Amino acid sequence: DAGVIQSPRHEVTEMGQEVTLRCKPISGHNSLFWYRQTMMRGLELLIYFNNNVPIDDSGMPEDRFSAKMPNASFSTLKIQPSEPRDSAVYFCASRRGLDQPQHFGDGTRLSIL
Amino acid sequence: SQQGEEDPQALSIQEGENATMNCSYKTSINNLQWYRQNSGRGLVHLILIRSNEREKHSGRLRVTLDTSKKSSSLLITASRAADTASYFCATVADPYSGAGSYQLTFGKGTKLSVIP
Repeated sequence: DAGVIQSPRHEVTEMGQEVTLRCKPISGHNSLFWYRQTMMRGLELLIYFNNNVPIDDSGMPEDRFSAKMPNASFSTLKIQPSEPRDSAVYFCASRRGLDQPQHFGDGTRLSIL
Repeated sequence: SQQGEEDPQALSIQEGENATMNCSYKTSINNLQWYRQNSGRGLVHLILIRSNEREKHSGRLRVTLDTSKKSSSLLITASRAADTASYFCATVADPYSGAGSYQLTFGKGTKLSVIP
């Protein structure tokens, strides 16, 4: 079975540029999560979709961050404009049901210079 | 804010020894989950224990849950070098407690090193 697929695996860009991270959840999973992981703050939930609808975006740091889920098999997380403090590993995860475990992708390591 | 708090933050043991990691949390939960993260990889789900369960086993893993103390422990028996990773507990709040949706709240993890 294919797991959660994230792209790109690594992204290095200059501050001010737009960054788009992509995620393909596991087929049949109806919830999708975007997380950010840093040494200082650990793993933070940014936004959570259920059946393609954003349920909780209270973790999105500021208006520079936006996320979409146009269909059940694709989601994007966009940062515009990017800043050096956005440097982190960004994970996408999906799950089949409300009380089921989450399955994580291998993450996108983002470096903003 | 972090719901789960793992203890210890780091643990170093010899291969073959048992490793015990603890997790404490603050609010009523629906379930508690343990995840492993190898360096440079995503988190991998290990085990899920529901609020009405007290103990669960999976291979060399044993998880206990004490809802009266709001704590859980993960025991890895006969550890191997391949068990070297960070281990996270994560809680799903009880939706009837008003704590919100079925999202996971992660602790900061325990970094386990198993020395061959």
